[in-house]
Amino acid sequence: DIQMTQSPSTLSASVGDRVTITCRASQSIGRWLAWYQQKPGKAPKFLIYQASNLESGIPRRFSGSGAGTEFTLTISSLQPDDFATYYCQQYESSFRTFGQGTKVEIK
Amino acid sequence: QVQLQESGPGLVKPSETLYLTCTVSGDSVTSDSYYWSWIRQPPGEGLEWIGYIFYNRKTDYNPSLESRVTISADASRNQFSLKLDSVTAADTAIYYCARDDVRRQVGFDNWGQGTLVTVSS
Repeated sequence: DIQMTQSPSTLSASVGDRVTITCRASQSIGRWLAWYQQKPGKAPKFLIYQASNLESGIPRRFSGSGAGTEFTLTISSLQPDDFATYYCQQYESSFRTFGQGTKVEIK
Repeated sequence: QVQLQESGPGLVKPSETLYLTCTVSGDSVTSDSYYWSWIRQPPGEGLEWIGYIFYNRKTDYNPSLESRVTISADASRNQFSLKLDSVTAADTAIYYCARDDVRRQVGFDNWGQGTLVTVSS
C-alpha cells in the first residue's frame, strides 16, 4: 500500500497567516492527490484534486502543488472558517489511502 | 446535485455483523463514472478507506479488512451496502459512504454525513 505522511500533525496559526501543510507519499503517485477539510462532527469536504485543481466553490485562498512524492496545501490568508483538520489522499492506487491529518488550530 | 445518506444500527455486539446502507439520490449506482465507496473514522482518529463497488459489481477492499468485508449494490433501490463480519471494539467508528469520481479522476467528491457505529455488548 502507498503510505501518506503529513506534516506537521498540528499547526497553530492566526487569522491572516499563510499556512502550508506538507504531504509525502511512500512512492510516486504522479498528481493523483486530493485534499479535504474536516470540521468536528462533519464529513470531510473535498477541496483540491489532481494535486492543484480547486474544486468548484472552494475559495481561491486555498491552493495545492506538487507531484511525484511531495505535495503541499497552502492557505494564503487564514480565515476563521479555516480552522479545521486537513487530510491528503492518494488515488494512484485502487487501494486508496489518507494521510493522518493536520489540525490547524488558533494560536 | 448528488446526495448520499447512510443508515443502519448504531450499536452492534462484538462478534456480530455490521450492516450499513447508503442511499444515493441525484445520481445512479449503475453509473460507470464512480466507485461507490465506504470510509470509516474511529473517534478522534483519521480516515480509513474500506472499499468500493463499481457499476459492473467489481469490488475492491482494504487488505486489512478484506476477509470480513462485503460491499454490494441494489440498483432497484439505488443503494449500496456494507457488511462487516465478526466485529470487535476496534470497528467502532463513524462510517461514511462516498462517491469516488473515476471519470474526472478527482477523489471522493461527495460524502454522506456519516453514521456512528459502536461495537459493545
